[in-house]
Amino acid sequence: KQEVTQIPAALSVPEGENLVLNCSFTDSAIYNLQWFRQDPGKGLTSLLLIQSSQREQTSGRLNASLDKSSGRSTLYIAASQPGDSATYLCAVRERNTGNQFYFGTGTSLTVIP
Amino acid sequence: GAVVSQHPSRVICKSGTSVKIECRSLDFQATTMFWYRQFPKQSLMLMATSNEGSKATYEQGVEKDKFLINHASLTLSTLTVTSAHPEDSSFYICSAGVRNYGYTFGSGTRLTVV
Repeated sequence: KQEVTQIPAALSVPEGENLVLNCSFTDSAIYNLQWFRQDPGKGLTSLLLIQSSQREQTSGRLNASLDKSSGRSTLYIAASQPGDSATYLCAVRERNTGNQFYFGTGTSLTVIP
Repeated sequence: GAVVSQHPSRVICKSGTSVKIECRSLDFQATTMFWYRQFPKQSLMLMATSNEGSKATYEQGVEKDKFLINHASLTLSTLTVTSAHPEDSSFYICSAGVRNYGYTFGSGTRLTVV
């Protein structure tokens, strides 16, 4: 069964700092990988989606990479802002298990003004 | 873009009562809907997969008689928590889409059972 792990569990950085969030998964036979943001008590906001054939995706200050063979993905956030404070979730989808998402445990990010 | 509406966003109910949560795809037809729940400080865990017109498939450890799922149309799935207990208090979120295409998440429902 696919297992997704995120490190670190929590991260606190001063405003303006660049940071990297890590995600690892145990089964490399994935359909795609997606990074989400979740604010307290709220639903999920999709940030970036990387198909299994892609290496990275970029959106504004966010860059996500995917190394399928090693089962790893990183989310890079440049010039962090207090508004970036949230929990970031990594999720992988597999073709052969009904297209469900397997979520990581999340990284709680706090950007200090 | 694809929009999924989930209602209610918050609900408080008394122990022993039932609560229904709706998940609607507003501008597309969803052949598959997933229901997840998230306990505090934990990640989202899949509860069940719902395919239109057929019975839902439940994950191991999820009681199908307690969590009733109905996917009667291509735009609506409902999750009913029957005889709710405080330990059912959680954040429930649905995801709707088409197999092997994209899936969109609802905004979630915070259930508190008192």
